[in-house]
Amino acid sequence: EVQLVESGGGLVQPGRSLRLSCTVSGFSFGDSAMSWFRQAPGKGLEWVGFIRSRAYSGTTEYAASVKGRFTISRDDSRSIAYLQMNSLKAEDTAVYYCTVEIDYWGQGALVTVST
Amino acid sequence: DIQMTQSPSSLSASVGDRVTITCRASQDISNFLAWFQQKPGKAPKSLIYDASSLQSGVPSKFSGSGSGTDFTLTISSLQPEDFATYYCQQYNTFPWTFGQGTKVEIK
Repeated sequence: EVQLVESGGGLVQPGRSLRLSCTVSGFSFGDSAMSWFRQAPGKGLEWVGFIRSRAYSGTTEYAASVKGRFTISRDDSRSIAYLQMNSLKAEDTAVYYCTVEIDYWGQGALVTVST
Repeated sequence: DIQMTQSPSSLSASVGDRVTITCRASQDISNFLAWFQQKPGKAPKSLIYDASSLQSGVPSKFSGSGSGTDFTLTISSLQPEDFATYYCQQYNTFPWTFGQGTKVEIK
């Protein structure tokens, strides 16, 4: 069974940083691209970013709204993907989801940016 | 960016109804389109990928069709567990983009 578990969410002040982790089991993590999405309260889904597998150089893509502030990385030895979020803004408040390809989704991690 | 427009934004239907949701892309996305179902407080669930391929474990009452700019999701016989919000998403070009969602409610 494929499982994705996000962790690291919480309340953070504007301008601060937070790192989310996504631990994957039951899937060939190293061969897979990983993505992050988010959903602000009461809103629709938004793509945040993407990291290719090592076979495709592990390169990344980002939404314009987070480019330069957010960084996606991966540790294939531990089957974990990370979303490093810097210079957080109130509008980054959302539930963040990680996905394997776009087929399997984690349960989500709530990030609240507020004073 | 590619704009994805879903219609309708919401619909009311009865158990047993056939339901069709449409999704239009602002430019050609070939067949790089996915459909997701989301229930309140839950993560999205992948239903369809590559416009018409059913995800493993998804009931065959769900079907997708289309290519280029026009796509549809059909639920052949609506059941109580199908009342949810449905999203289309293109993955042809970065940034990936979603439709605004279609909320399917009980009539």
